[in-house]
Amino acid sequence: DIQMTQSPSSLSASVGDRVTITCRASQSISSYLNWYQQKPGKAPKLLIYAASSLQGGVPSRFSGSGSGTDFTLTISSLQPEDFATYYCQQSYNTPRAFGQGTKVEVK
Amino acid sequence: EVQLVESGGGLVQPGGSLRLSCAASGFTLSSYAMYWVRQAPGKGLEYVSGISSNGGSTNYGNSVKGRFTVSRDNSKNTLYLQMGSLRAEDMAVYYCAREAYSGSFDDYYYYMDVWGKGTTVTVSS
Repeated sequence: DIQMTQSPSSLSASVGDRVTITCRASQSISSYLNWYQQKPGKAPKLLIYAASSLQGGVPSRFSGSGSGTDFTLTISSLQPEDFATYYCQQSYNTPRAFGQGTKVEVK
Repeated sequence: EVQLVESGGGLVQPGGSLRLSCAASGFTLSSYAMYWVRQAPGKGLEYVSGISSNGGSTNYGNSVKGRFTVSRDNSKNTLYLQMGSLRAEDMAVYYCAREAYSGSFDDYYYYMDVWGKGTTVTVSS
């Protein structure tokens, strides 16, 4: 099974900061990588699919990059509503493994 | 409105069984692969199970293999998860999710674009 590893596990940032989260796959997954945002008590929300494609309705301050084993989610200017936990997920094969999550907290 | 609504969660004793349901509306269930994902209290998302659009193919996370069974009834627009031999570590919020895809020819990308609000399973004596 493919393992997904995110870093960092948590980070503290301020509104307006540029935030970068990294996700690494245990083997090459081409661009079969998705990013989700989850707020407390809510279901996950799709942000980015196919490593860099923005889901409809998602603000353009979110972007994704990478291919193979290394991927990045970037928030260009952190907004108050962006404080949440972010997960990567591979869709190269099954089981569709998730990373352990990165919690973005207020600095 | 495209929607998934889970039900069937509750309190069950260790070793017991429970069946979760996920009712789909606003789209044709038979066109999509579907998944179950869970989240233990204070923990991250964990893949539980998936099923192809016609039910012909299923897969499971290692932690539930042999104890859980996923199925679907497309005529009823409903996904199921039969859970058996439940353990304390199965206690979680269980989400169902639709998997959409985009791309062309042989190059399709898959992603879970619609999620239910979840149903809570508590395993305790």
